[in-house]
Amino acid sequence: KAGVTQTPRYLIKTRGQQVTLSCSPISGHRSVSWYQQTPGQGLQFLFEYFSETQRNKGNFPGRFSGRQFSNSRSEMNVSTLELGDSALYLCASSLIAGNFPDTQYFGPGTRLTVL
Amino acid sequence: SQQGEEDPQALSIQEGENATMNCSYKTSINNLQWYRQNSGRGLVHLILIRSNEREKHSGRLRVTLDTSKKSSSLLITASRAADTASYFCATEGSWGKLQFGAGTQVVVTP
Repeated sequence: KAGVTQTPRYLIKTRGQQVTLSCSPISGHRSVSWYQQTPGQGLQFLFEYFSETQRNKGNFPGRFSGRQFSNSRSEMNVSTLELGDSALYLCASSLIAGNFPDTQYFGPGTRLTVL
Repeated sequence: SQQGEEDPQALSIQEGENATMNCSYKTSINNLQWYRQNSGRGLVHLILIRSNEREKHSGRLRVTLDTSKKSSSLLITASRAADTASYFCATEGSWGKLQFGAGTQVVVTP
């Protein structure tokens, strides 16, 4: 099976712009989670989607949003970009076994640089 | 706040040596996972150990879990240069939320 794919791999934006990142999960996986990784804060959970519904959200401002489509593909959007949004954005997919997700498989990430 | 904390923060060893890193966490867990990350790339899943398991092996990797001490360890035996990476433990919160520690940076020199 193909792994989790993320596009684009690299992005350079300027402050105030908005950006949309895309994630395609492993075939058959229905849960998609998003994470932000920065040198200062480490890996932080953004949100999780399952069956087109956001089930969980981390402690990020409303400028960070996401959605999931019927084919489980997911997008996240960051509006009014700030310098501090420069980070590696990772998405992960999981199959869903029982009530809680099981192993999460990560994509290669999108490196966002805000100038 | 981070649920897991790895120790040490950095580890430098020679090829063939074993590398051990530890992870402590704060609250009860259903499972604990270890991931590897090579220089700013995506995370690669290594092992998942459930709360009712005490030890798990996968190739050269051995993970232990002590729920009474809220700690886990990852042992890499006979390390190789390709094992150079950052290693993270992660505990599972609610609905798809993994909480990661700060990671242990491992450098294996030939």
